[in-house]
Amino acid sequence: QKEVEQDPGPLSVPEGAIVSLNCTYSNSAFQYFMWYRQYSRKGPELLMYTYSSGNKEDGRFTAQVDKSSKYISLFIRDSQPSDSATYLCAMTGSARQLTFGSGTQLTVLP
Amino acid sequence: EAGVAQSPRYKIIEKRQSVAFWCNPISGHATLYWYQQILGQGPKLLIQFQNNGVVDDSQLPKDRFSAERLKGVDSTLKIQPAKLEDSAVYLCASSLEGHSNQPQHFGDGTRLSIL
Repeated sequence: QKEVEQDPGPLSVPEGAIVSLNCTYSNSAFQYFMWYRQYSRKGPELLMYTYSSGNKEDGRFTAQVDKSSKYISLFIRDSQPSDSATYLCAMTGSARQLTFGSGTQLTVLP
Repeated sequence: EAGVAQSPRYKIIEKRQSVAFWCNPISGHATLYWYQQILGQGPKLLIQFQNNGVVDDSQLPKDRFSAERLKGVDSTLKIQPAKLEDSAVYLCASSLEGHSNQPQHFGDGTRLSIL
């Protein structure tokens, strides 16, 4: 079993839809949770960074962490074609090493 | 602020040949990481440097991969000899310090194809 599981998709939604991206994990030592966006042939770009459980909002993006269920989510409101990319969840604990999910490929159709 | 710079962007070699990648981190970032990203997978850490010392190289295939960070700034990653399964994107990232609460910033990577 992988430490971090992420639905690979692909996920296709119409412009303006609310998108929900999710990851589950097994390592209870993870404390810091991140979402990266990766465009084709580009490096991952940090979108959201949260510590422990709770919600964090930044514009159209909301990150949610539920440590009791070992489940994290990223919500994108009013999705745009420019949001089309692969979204990677990542997490770390005291070991500092980032563990990534395999990524979800998202396409937002105009 | 300039981002993480990597070169070359693309490299094609035959198996058993050697190849080297270069990375220049964000100015002032003490910690540098090399990741391997195979198609359809998330990045996997190969090696982490703090200044010019190695912090973690537990997942580096040391029989063929080597990395150095002289003077605590630029870094090179080398593969010798290359195998077919080394085909991947090699990403460099940096952070201010190697603490869990310091986000990592990535370069655009070197896409390596082994024939």
